[in-house]
This record gives sequence, C-alpha cells and structure tokens, in this order.
Amino acid sequence: DAKTTQPNSMESNEEEPVHLPCNHSTISGTDYIHWYRQLPSQGPEYVIHGLTSNVNNRMASLAIAEDRKSSTLILHRATLRDAAVYYCIRNYGGSQGNLIFGKGTKLSVKP
Amino acid sequence: NAGVTQTPKFRVLKTGQSMTLLCAQDMNHEYMYWYRQDPGMGLRLIHYSVGEGTTAKGEVPDGYNVSRLKKQNFLLGLESAAPSQTSVYFCASSTTRGYSEQFFGPGTRLTVL
Repeated sequence: DAKTTQPNSMESNEEEPVHLPCNHSTISGTDYIHWYRQLPSQGPEYVIHGLTSNVNNRMASLAIAEDRKSSTLILHRATLRDAAVYYCIRNYGGSQGNLIFGKGTKLSVKP
Repeated sequence: NAGVTQTPKFRVLKTGQSMTLLCAQDMNHEYMYWYRQDPGMGLRLIHYSVGEGTTAKGEVPDGYNVSRLKKQNFLLGLESAAPSQTSVYFCASSTTRGYSEQFFGPGTRLTVL
C-alpha cells in the first residue's frame, strides 16, 4: 500500500514539544517522506521532507528511523497556530512519483 | 508574488452542468496538480501536468478533463457534473515532481445538486 499510517488525533499543550509518529513499512529506497499540514479551511502547507537522515528547518524537525519504516515529526514548542491536520506522505515512485495523502493526524493544542 | 491562485472560490452547480476551474501560478513551476478533498479525508490526485502542453491521470481522473495551454495556468473541467463531484478542489505547483515542496492554492468549494 502506498499510504502511510498515522494516529487519527493527538493533543498537546501550548509551548510543549509534540512528536507526531508515522509508519511507512513498505517504503522503497527512493521514496522521500514529506510532511504537510492543513489549517482549517485552507490548502495544505509544506512542513518538511527527508530521505534517510534527520532534517531540521525553521518549522520542525524530522526524525527518520534507520530502517526507514517509520518517522516522527517534531514540533519543538507547540503554539495555538500549530493546531491542524498533519499529513505524513511518501512520494510513491521516487523522483517521478506523486504525493499520496492519507487521512493525517488532527493535532489539538491546548492553552 | 501571489503564489497559487484559484478561481472561483465557491460554486454551486446542478447535475449535468459543466464548468471550468482555473489555477494560476506565478512561480514559473513546471509541475502542476489538481486534487480533490472530501469531508474528513486526505487529498486525492485527479490529474497533473509535468509541463506546458502535457497532462496525465492521477488517482481519480474519471469525470474530469484538464488542459495546460500556458505554463502558468492549469484548468480543470467538469463536462457533466454529478453529486459525487461535490468536494473541495485544490490546485498545487512545484519545481520538481517527487522531491520538492508543493505550493497549494486556497481551494474551490464545489457543490453539485
């Protein structure tokens, strides 16, 4: 199956770190792991992506397991604005592949 | 830069009517995509384009046609709308296909009665 597996929902407290897990046990060697998020009534927004090693940017960090069968998106300090649906996606088919979205994880952030 | 824009934002159609959704991007991206999102679901790829004059089918292409006559525009057409096509439609663009960030538009909410 080309899709990934994520928990349906998670809760976090404001200003605490959040770890969003994702399983992609059938991933092939050339498939990247992408994370997007979607705020209510908006289009998806890119968060981060990576292949094998851990990746960091201004929004988040991506930790990829050594066997690449799972990964974790890390938000270092959650804010109310981070409440969204987070999609873990593999671009099935490598460089010529398309993004295959699942249902994502709905993250709630409590003040 | 405006990024990715979509026209219209909302539309209500009757079964059997036709319409065209317009997507425009000002980032000079080669790749463009049309997705649909049904309530509580993730996005599903309808059609995509790898460059001006080219189009290809995605995961759910039936009932839709597309055209990419200009690099900056990607049109999605419904020839004979059906209630099953009630959805939110998102357009996106990117510099490469599998390895780069996709930039999404704000969406078009379509209701077919």
